[in-house]
Amino acid sequence: QVQLQESGPGLVKPSQTLSLTCTVSGGSISSGSYYWSWIRQPAGKGLEWIGRIYTSGSTNYNPSLKSRVTISVDTSKNQFSLKLSSVTAADTAVYYCARGIPVRIVGAFYYFDYWGQGTLVTVSS
Amino acid sequence: AIRMTQSPSSLSASTGDRVTITCRASQGISSYLAWYQQKPGKAPKLLIYAASTLQSGVPSRFSGSGSGTDFTLTISCLQSEDFATYYCQQYYSYPQTFGQGTKVEIK
Repeated sequence: QVQLQESGPGLVKPSQTLSLTCTVSGGSISSGSYYWSWIRQPAGKGLEWIGRIYTSGSTNYNPSLKSRVTISVDTSKNQFSLKLSSVTAADTAVYYCARGIPVRIVGAFYYFDYWGQGTLVTVSS
Repeated sequence: AIRMTQSPSSLSASTGDRVTITCRASQGISSYLAWYQQKPGKAPKLLIYAASTLQSGVPSRFSGSGSGTDFTLTISCLQSEDFATYYCQQYYSYPQTFGQGTKVEIK
């Protein structure tokens, strides 16, 4: 059974960089053709896809966040990470990591079957 | 970005009721649609993908239909554990987008 677990600071100051890591257990992050993704949810609101990475290192980001987002992967640690720069209060949210199941080789054609439990990140001074 | 609009935003129902939630895409997405269930303080759980394919382990009282721009999620006989918020997600084009959610509450 694949499990994902987010980790990182729960409090980040405005203008600083938010950094989170997702550790994958129960399987190798390199095995299979999966898209490892980050999704966030402000309190009481809906879900927003942030971006994804393939184990080759290829990435796609939400255009609304693209200038501030970097997603990377460390296959030796079975982890992938999110960095979001220049944060403001609007970035306060629960951040989830998730595994994407592709139905086509390229493009956005993947849905999410496994999710981490989520981690709350608050942006405040 | 493709906009996903769910209706209703919330509904009240009783155990045993049949419940239908609608999701409309702002442009055609073929059958590249998934449904998720989220309970308070928990991560979303995949229920249905490809508009109508039930994820392994999901009870058969859940079903999905539709293609193009209009989709529905139906719970045939609502159980106590089904009270939650439901989201649709399109995975036809970037950025992937979700509906705003439909909260199913106890009447």
